[in-house]
Amino acid sequence: GIQVEQSPPDLILQEGANSTLRCNFSDSVNNLQWFHQNPWGQLINLFYIPSGTKQNGRLSATTVATERYSLLYISSSQTTDSGVYFCAVEGDYKLSFGAGTTVTVRA
Amino acid sequence: DGGITQSPKYLFRKEGQNVTLSCEQNLNHDAMYWYRQDPGQGLRLIYYSQIVNDFQKGDIAEGYSVSREKKESFPLTVTSAQKNPTAFYLCASSNQVNQPQHFGDGTRLSIL
Repeated sequence: GIQVEQSPPDLILQEGANSTLRCNFSDSVNNLQWFHQNPWGQLINLFYIPSGTKQNGRLSATTVATERYSLLYISSSQTTDSGVYFCAVEGDYKLSFGAGTTVTVRA
Repeated sequence: DGGITQSPKYLFRKEGQNVTLSCEQNLNHDAMYWYRQDPGQGLRLIYYSQIVNDFQKGDIAEGYSVSREKKESFPLTVTSAQKNPTAFYLCASSNQVNQPQHFGDGTRLSIL
């Protein structure tokens, strides 16, 4: 199956800081999604981004499919951004998840 | 509101017992999925269904069973053959495969 690697595994930010999360994948994909998992376990869709760049408020994402990576940018971080961020890629009808980046934003 | 409803939120299983987790969606999605999440890890696919009356094994199907008799429902049974069932179970749906997946709030299963 497709291998998905996320980095860094952990990230500690001061409120207001900017950060970049990276997702590398091992094969061409039909779909790439970024999720935020909150402390209660809810998985929230952030982006559906098989290629190109999208922005949603303080978050933006870029996928370079030909080079097999995607980046998630968090700007002006807030404490509510804390949680685990997952990248998931789809090939052969299933999503393969990375191990996630745990983000802690301190006030 | 449209969405995916999983029940119960918490479930406890005795040794040798089968338990069934419910997943219902009113999004009119064709495809549905079950994932397992262990602490500190990503999600792994158990089963998926692209259409009613059809389903396929995922990466970790052993010890689990599913049915898809109705478009809106995709229940997961954790059988006694699953020796390590304690985990967080998430159900998802998408309009079709290769389309964005949307997730329910999950069920936490523990062993008594």
